[in-house]
Amino acid sequence: EAQVTQNPRYLITVTGKKLTVTCSQNMNHEYMSWYRQDPGLGLRQIYYSMNVEVTDKGDVPEGYKVSRKEKRNFPLILESPSPNQTSLYFCASSLNDRGLGENIQYFGAGTRLSVL
Amino acid sequence: AQSVTQLDSHVSVSEGTPVLLRCNYSSSYSPSLFWYVQHPNKGLQLLLKYTSAATLVKGINGFEAEFKKSETSFHLTKPSAHMSDAAEYFCVVSGFVWKTSYDKVIFGPGTSLSVIP
Repeated sequence: EAQVTQNPRYLITVTGKKLTVTCSQNMNHEYMSWYRQDPGLGLRQIYYSMNVEVTDKGDVPEGYKVSRKEKRNFPLILESPSPNQTSLYFCASSLNDRGLGENIQYFGAGTRLSVL
Repeated sequence: AQSVTQLDSHVSVSEGTPVLLRCNYSSSYSPSLFWYVQHPNKGLQLLLKYTSAATLVKGINGFEAEFKKSETSFHLTKPSAHMSDAAEYFCVVSGFVWKTSYDKVIFGPGTSLSVIP
């Protein structure tokens, strides 16, 4: 079954304690991205990756890091979490290739993070 | 630059009555447009997409949307609401990024749909 898997689904942590949210897709997609969802703001892109070892900042990258060492995995790293990073996070993947006319995104189930 | 506006943050309808969720977009190039739905405590699911073919697009669960270039709109409709339609709906624009083969994806702020029995 084609899917995007995020872990953990729920996480409560304290300010400054490094954490990683994992994301894995089994569709061989080149493009992956991370979003945060906050009330009234929709989804805002944090980082995206166009392929292995190719990443770039989205609209709200401050306080986050990512890596793309393998095609299937795209972890989100919070080196020193702060309360303003309390949010619902989604990982997504897609072919995102205009030549193919295919840029539907497939989303993980989300990770709800609370930073105290 | 691209942007998406969803004109209503919340819409409430009675079961069996029509649904209209409004979306306007701004894009320098011919965009692709999508509607995604998010049910409570779930991820996002694609409802339908427009990619420069037919302007009236049919999606899952009886939803459809019409692309109107002159009005820069992509409103989502359904003739008869069902209780299971209660969810958050996001309009999304995907458009050209200069010197790449990739598109920039921008989400609208979302519209929460409530369905009253």
